[in-house]
Amino acid sequence: AQSVTQPDIHITVSEGASLELRCNYSYGATPYLFWYVQSPGQGLQLLLKYFSGDTLVQGIKGFEAEFKRSQSSFNLRKPSVHWSDAAEYFCAVGAGGGKLIFGQGTELSVKP
Amino acid sequence: GAVVSQHPSRVICKSGTSVKIECRSLDFQATTMFWYRQFPKQSLMLMATSNEGSKATYEQGVEKDKFLINHASLTLSTLTVTSAHPEDSSFYICSATQGTSGYGYTFGSGTRLTVV
Repeated sequence: AQSVTQPDIHITVSEGASLELRCNYSYGATPYLFWYVQSPGQGLQLLLKYFSGDTLVQGIKGFEAEFKRSQSSFNLRKPSVHWSDAAEYFCAVGAGGGKLIFGQGTELSVKP
Repeated sequence: GAVVSQHPSRVICKSGTSVKIECRSLDFQATTMFWYRQFPKQSLMLMATSNEGSKATYEQGVEKDKFLINHASLTLSTLTVTSAHPEDSSFYICSATQGTSGYGYTFGSGTRLTVV
């Protein structure tokens, strides 16, 4: 069965520092992978997605993610974090029929 | 860009009553809409998939008689929580897609339901 694991429940980084949020997936075929961000009490905003092609994907707000098939990973990165990046981040895999399976989420806090 | 409007954003209802949540695609026709439920500090769990003009497909463990989904038009899907109880209190989010790939999602801003 398809699944997504985000090992880190909560991460705190200093403003200006680099960020990497981990995501591991389990899926039999080539996965469709997504990263979403959610501010408190809000819906989800798509940061980036991977369907095929170049394994390094650029997204909005300066985020990027790299698909590594050998490691079943799709980690999200940002070279310099801003205070406004504090939010909940969800990794998701397409499960067929348009469905998404989400990871547990990683809460990002940013220290001044 | 594609916009999905979800209404209401917050609702408080008494135990035993029913609540209807609307999900509208404002500038595109949504062939498929999805309803998710999110408990505090937890992930999103897919409840059901609705296609315009047909019955919704519910995920395992979701009571279809309790969570009534109607997708009567290409721009509107509704979720009705019937005979609500406190354990139904949650954050409900819809998403809509028009793409043939099925993954061109736009999410609504969510509805916080509190049953007292």
